[in-house]
Amino acid sequence: VLTQSPATLSLSPGERATLSCRASRNVTDYLAWYQQRPGQPPRLLIYDASIRATGVPARFSGGGSGTDFTLTISGLEPDDYASYFCQQRGNWRTFGQGTRVEVK
Amino acid sequence: QVHLQESGPRLVQPSETLALTCDVSGGSVSSSYWWSWVRQSPGKGLEWIGEMYHLGNTNYKLSLKSRVTISIDKSKNQFSLRLTSVTAADTAVYYCARGTLRAHFDVWGQGALVTVSS
Repeated sequence: VLTQSPATLSLSPGERATLSCRASRNVTDYLAWYQQRPGQPPRLLIYDASIRATGVPARFSGGGSGTDFTLTISGLEPDDYASYFCQQRGNWRTFGQGTRVEVK
Repeated sequence: QVHLQESGPRLVQPSETLALTCDVSGGSVSSSYWWSWVRQSPGKGLEWIGEMYHLGNTNYKLSLKSRVTISIDKSKNQFSLRLTSVTAADTAVYYCARGTLRAHFDVWGQGALVTVSS
């Protein structure tokens, strides 16, 4: 099970966003982060806990290992207001329930 | 660049079978990836359904395993999802996705909203 917090994050443009994902068991570094805008499919941001996918801006960074992981957006831009999901490997792939980043 | 596109009926009767196909362009289903299906109920999170490797190995979510079949057609460069005995709870946007050997999904289709209703 993956637990994301908070469910909703209200921040102003330019602020730093820190999203959390906690796994119920050790997933080593098999942890990915996705961004999803309304009406769009998920987009891979981070894989292997900390590696940015191709084309992802440097303001997105991932950290952690084992059971505790974070996604940080160093300065929110308008396109960053979206939902974010973590995903782990395990025996079956599972997703967290998501964190919605909204404009404060 | 690999592109995925879902196709299939968007309205399915209760107790019938949901069938979707994912066309792969810009790449081959015979390459070393897990060809996957993920769904998202309206306003909800993402649910992994299952996957198939090009060599024929499959993995399915345990709670759906008795109703799900994923298959690959190499001649058409596509893969498919069949979900039997559907109910309203199976109403969702169904995404096909490419899963890497490190188990993340790096390419996604646009999604197909399938409604289960009479």
